[in-house]
Amino acid sequence: KQEVTQIPAALSVPEGENLVLNCSFTDSAIYNLQWFRQDPGKGLTSLLLIQSSQREQTSGRLNASLDKSSGRSTLYIAASQPGDSATYLCEKETSGSRLTFGEGTQLTVNP
Amino acid sequence: DGGITQSPKYLFRKEGQNVTLSCEQNLNHDAMYWYRQDPGQGLRLIYYSQIVNDFQKGDIAEGYSVSREKKESFPLTVTSAQKNPTAFYLCASSMWGYTGELFFGEGSRLTVL
Repeated sequence: KQEVTQIPAALSVPEGENLVLNCSFTDSAIYNLQWFRQDPGKGLTSLLLIQSSQREQTSGRLNASLDKSSGRSTLYIAASQPGDSATYLCEKETSGSRLTFGEGTQLTVNP
Repeated sequence: DGGITQSPKYLFRKEGQNVTLSCEQNLNHDAMYWYRQDPGQGLRLIYYSQIVNDFQKGDIAEGYSVSREKKESFPLTVTSAQKNPTAFYLCASSMWGYTGELFFGEGSRLTVL
């Protein structure tokens, strides 16, 4: 049973498009949800962290929302650029500091 | 600069050999983690440590061992008992007892020849 699901698995868009990446999870009793970016052959870089008491977080062109009741989080990327091409992973933390990752969405932004 | 350093970045091993991957952090974090990542899959937890001299098995601990003798260091040994060790290994750290940000190293790619 996959506890964290990311759809779509891959996404290709033209430069300049606004896009939404989805993350759904079981167990609404989360402590926080975090979005990461991973470039090929590299580690993960934290983008946004949403605490359970928060509804959204913003950083530059990125906005992440959290809806615990529906078990969903979205990462919104405005005015996408080729440099945004990477794999985006979401991760939830639940009791006992248990961390669960989704399998990621591979994003390609075409010039 | 504060961060997590993993070494080596690339490692080749013959079957039957044990290898040790290094992970060092200077963030003063209590908790450290080892994950394995295979192509097209999410991260799977191997071991984690909340405090010095203590660690717990994750979801796929078989064939791996760790130690936590210092707060800054959490080395992972891939033993010959691990049947499919070729993978990308990621080390991470965070403040324990605090729902905060998770920091990752750059990863170590192990290939068994």
